[in-house]
Amino acid sequence: DQQVKQNSPSLSVQEGRISILNCDYTNSMFDYFLWYKKYPAEGPTFLISISSIKDKNEDGRFTVFLNKSAKHLSLHIVPSQPGDSAVYFCAARFNNAGNMLTFGGGTRLMVKP
Amino acid sequence: DAMVIQNPRYQVTQFGKPVTLSCSQTLNHNVMYWYQQKSSQAPKLLFHYYDKDFNNEADTPDNFQSRRPNTSFCFLDIRSPGLGDAAMYLCATSRAGFDTQYFGPGTRLTVL
Repeated sequence: DQQVKQNSPSLSVQEGRISILNCDYTNSMFDYFLWYKKYPAEGPTFLISISSIKDKNEDGRFTVFLNKSAKHLSLHIVPSQPGDSAVYFCAARFNNAGNMLTFGGGTRLMVKP
Repeated sequence: DAMVIQNPRYQVTQFGKPVTLSCSQTLNHNVMYWYQQKSSQAPKLLFHYYDKDFNNEADTPDNFQSRRPNTSFCFLDIRSPGLGDAAMYLCATSRAGFDTQYFGPGTRLTVL
């Protein structure tokens, strides 16, 4: 039973345009959400996070939106750059579960020059 | 630079031959995690240590064991690897009470 899902395994975007990566979850007890980026041959690196008490968090070119009623979050990258090409993982944390994260399956983003 | 280091980066073993993967960290974090990631799937938590307290996920097979001799090091032992254990194994660390986990580069395990 996959509690965090990223339904698009891949996404291709032109440089300078917006990239939108989506993530859905099933458990309403999740209270904190994170995005990680992974380059080939490297471990995932933390990108941006959002608490369930917010609906938006922005950090430079990266913005995460949370829609709790829809159990949906999205990561927007504007403008997209070729260096953004990587696999992006969405992760979620339960209430009072410490640091235990549940990951989605990832979306491979390709930004074309 | 403070970091999470995993050795080896690539490990080949034979079916049923025990193998040990290692992870070390210079971040002085309390919590260390081991994840298994199979191709195109989500990383799956196997277990974690909160300081010396070991916490096993309910569905982690008994074939997988772990040791944390000190704050800096953590080992993953696979007692009798099967073909289904071929995967990327990721080590991560975090400070207690914080959610940002810092990952190592992973060890890719091949079972022949």
